[in-house]
Amino acid sequence: DVKVTQSSRYLVKRTGEKVFLECVQDMDHENMFWYRQDPGLGLRLIYFSYDVKMKEKGDIPEGYSVSREKKERFSLILESASTNQTSMYLCASSLEGRNQPQHFGDGTRLSIL
Amino acid sequence: AQKITQTQPGMFVQEKEAVTLDCTYDTSDQSYGLFWYKQPSSGEMIFLIYQGSYDEQNATEGRYSLNFQKARKSANLVISASQLGDSAMYFCAMRERGGSNYKLTFGKGTLLTVNP
Repeated sequence: DVKVTQSSRYLVKRTGEKVFLECVQDMDHENMFWYRQDPGLGLRLIYFSYDVKMKEKGDIPEGYSVSREKKERFSLILESASTNQTSMYLCASSLEGRNQPQHFGDGTRLSIL
Repeated sequence: AQKITQTQPGMFVQEKEAVTLDCTYDTSDQSYGLFWYKQPSSGEMIFLIYQGSYDEQNATEGRYSLNFQKARKSANLVISASQLGDSAMYFCAMRERGGSNYKLTFGKGTLLTVNP
């Protein structure tokens, strides 16, 4: 089974802090993704990566950056956290191919105070 | 315009009965894929079933089947013999060939409650 592990289930940080959310997958997947999920808005793609050191912006990249130095690890960085970034963050990975599903981690509930 | 529309914010079903969750999509691509995911209250997203636009038969996975009507652009999820553990949010998603080859677009979800 695919395992996608997010470093924290719950996280509380303060406004202005630099926040790192880590995601690791163990199935040698090429693609990795970061989403945020908010009530009434569904899942929205922040960034994705299709290879090491490669990244592309999703629908809502503002205020975020990402890092993929190794194939198995994809980090989401909130450069200066703000209260409107309080949300559920979901990491996913997939093989290449149109019919390949994305496999998700358990999510990180991030609160910015 | 929304790419994926799930018109039922909430659905109720009696245990052991079948339930259909609706999903319509909008795309001009001929080649695309449709996915259904389940999200229990614990938060993880669980992949359930996939249907490709060129697949001639409806996809099935255990108690899950996908009623794919291409001309109507609908991809409804059918859960047979509902169980209490099926209570969760269900999301329909689409991957299109145009634009980014990797991006999934999700609907807003349907909250299914299975009553004993």
